Amino acid sequence: KQEVTQIPAALSVPEGENLVLNCSFTDSAIYNLQWFRQDPGKGLTSLLLIQSSQREQTSGRLNASLDKSSGRSTLYIAASQPGDSATYLCAVWGFGNEKLTFGTGTRLTIIP
Amino acid sequence: DAGVIQSPRHEVTEMGQEVTLRCKPISGHDYLFWYRQTMMRGLELLIYFNNNVPIDDSGMPEDRFSAKMPNASFSTLKIQPSEPRDSAVYFCASSPHTQGNEQFFGPGTRLTVL
Repeated sequence: KQEVTQIPAALSVPEGENLVLNCSFTDSAIYNLQWFRQDPGKGLTSLLLIQSSQREQTSGRLNASLDKSSGRSTLYIAASQPGDSATYLCAVWGFGNEKLTFGTGTRLTIIP
Repeated sequence: DAGVIQSPRHEVTEMGQEVTLRCKPISGHDYLFWYRQTMMRGLELLIYFNNNVPIDDSGMPEDRFSAKMPNASFSTLKIQPSEPRDSAVYFCASSPHTQGNEQFFGPGTRLTVL
């Protein structure tokens, strides 16, 4: 059974700093890994999707990497802003499973 | 496209009542997913459909929960009878036809069962 872990559960950093969020998964047989953002009381917004054959994806100040063999992904946020404050979730879509398995998320707070 | 649409956005009901949640996926998406999110258990997949056919309902907690997708543009999740432990946010998501594609989520329905 696929298990997805995100550490830390919460993170606070001053505005302007670069930061890294971590995601690990137990079964490397995946189609892709997806990073989401969730604002309080809101739905999930897809940030980046990395296919299993890819090593990284970039969108603006966000860069996500994938090391499938070690079961790890990171989300790098450059020059953090207060508007980046949210919960960030990673999820993997496994082979033969056809569904996303979510991590528990990292609650990020950017301090102005 | 307006994205995934869910209704109602908030629902408050009393224990024992029937609750129906509704979802309209993005046009052209063949996969539809129902999730439940709670503080204790995080995001859990309840059931998903491919081309209107239920594929995996192993996440449905018990017989009180049922889901239907009568056509490509509409799905319902029904709870009957509802219980206080069903209180959660219920999300619907859809995905294009290719397996492993990006999922797009609706805004969710916040259900409170008193």
